[in-house]
Amino acid sequence: GESVGLHLPTLSVQEGDNSIINCAYSNSASDYFIWYKQESGKGPQFIIDIRSNMDKRQGQRVTVLLNKTVKHLSLQIAATQPGDSAVYFCAELLGTNFGNEKLTFGTGTRLTIIP
Amino acid sequence: SQTIHQWPATLVQPVGSPLSLECTVEGTSNPNLYWYRQAAGRGLQLLFYSVGIGQISSEVPQNLSASRPQDRQFILSSKKLLLSDSGFYLCAWREQVWEKLFFGSGTQLSVL
Repeated sequence: GESVGLHLPTLSVQEGDNSIINCAYSNSASDYFIWYKQESGKGPQFIIDIRSNMDKRQGQRVTVLLNKTVKHLSLQIAATQPGDSAVYFCAELLGTNFGNEKLTFGTGTRLTIIP
Repeated sequence: SQTIHQWPATLVQPVGSPLSLECTVEGTSNPNLYWYRQAAGRGLQLLFYSVGIGQISSEVPQNLSASRPQDRQFILSSKKLLLSDSGFYLCAWREQVWEKLFFGSGTQLSVL
């Protein structure tokens, strides 16, 4: 079936370096993607989103890139800080009937920032 | 601004006991409401969602049920808990016309 997956379950990055978290999706009809950050014992927090009519979107220290040709999504975090250590989830949205569409989440990547 | 409240934060229950987790949203009306479950080190599994009062859709067959007695209240219940019901339960909401989902702080349920 359709699914959202992540290439790497864990990622360690030196503090101050940039990090890239990757995500592959299999449904070419997905039209909205979102990244969440989840710290231990807490609910996921919204980071950034992107629609399928865009290739790139930037936020504060974060950039999401969407490559529809290969169905790949990435989250770039610039100048990583210890507070960036968390599990990051990508999710895709299928459907355009508001109310019935559902986000499908990947299994997540654990990012560890090394001081 | 909108806020979501979920309680309790942690819960330890014996097998066979009932369950009631409550979630309320403030600052919005007629939101879509969701219950997710997260096993340790895993992704999020959608359990139920609701687009209105009394309207519940179940995603997976299970020992749980959900109800929406009021517009901004979503309740997750079980008559008899199983060991496999242990997990981290998350309530979430979103506006009907926007895709962004906002999560509560979660309930860690341990069934012993």
